[in-house]
Amino acid sequence: AQKVTQAQTEISVVEKEDVTLDCVYETRDTTYYLFWYKQPPSGELVFLIRRNSFDEQNEISGRYSWNFQKSTSSFNFTITASQVVDSAVYFCALSDIYGNKLVFGAGTILRVKS
Amino acid sequence: KAGVTQTPRYLIKTRGQQVTLSCSPISGHRSVSWYQQTPGQGLQFLFEYFSETQRNKGNFPGRFSGRQFSNSRSEMNVSTLELGDSALYLCASSTDRGLKETQYFGPGTRLLVL
Repeated sequence: AQKVTQAQTEISVVEKEDVTLDCVYETRDTTYYLFWYKQPPSGELVFLIRRNSFDEQNEISGRYSWNFQKSTSSFNFTITASQVVDSAVYFCALSDIYGNKLVFGAGTILRVKS
Repeated sequence: KAGVTQTPRYLIKTRGQQVTLSCSPISGHRSVSWYQQTPGQGLQFLFEYFSETQRNKGNFPGRFSGRQFSNSRSEMNVSTLELGDSALYLCASSTDRGLKETQYFGPGTRLLVL
């Protein structure tokens, strides 16, 4: 069975601080996909990134970066120089190779204070 | 390109009633998935439809059902509502051309059962 664990329930930071959101996953599949989604107060899940299990390269997109380590089954997300607009709930998710059935972690509430 | 749309956005029902929620996927997307989000259980997969057929199903009772139309629009139905069905119901669509699919989510329908 697949499982995603986001141990951090809530994180509070002050604007411009860097913050890392942790994600640990379990799966027996050899090929799988990992995702991060952001959920602002409006409720819609906003897609941030998808990473397949064969690609362990870290990725950077603006202030966002992701560290995928297969050896520790982790897919951590770092926001550099956080902003108030980054305040949201962030979900890590896992799927099989088809990607149409996501298993989500419990989410991490990020509060960025000015 | 318009995103995933869901109607209605908010709904109040009483126990025992039934409800139908609607989802229109992104143009060109043929797979539609439904998720339930509650404070206690988090985000859970309900089912996925492709070409008018249910392709995947989560672990929910038979009171939860869905269907997909030839234009890929989807509806989900919950019969004999219970208080625990109060949740945010999210719909997601993907192109489903094979592997490497990313699901894009709609704003959700907030259902309150009294």
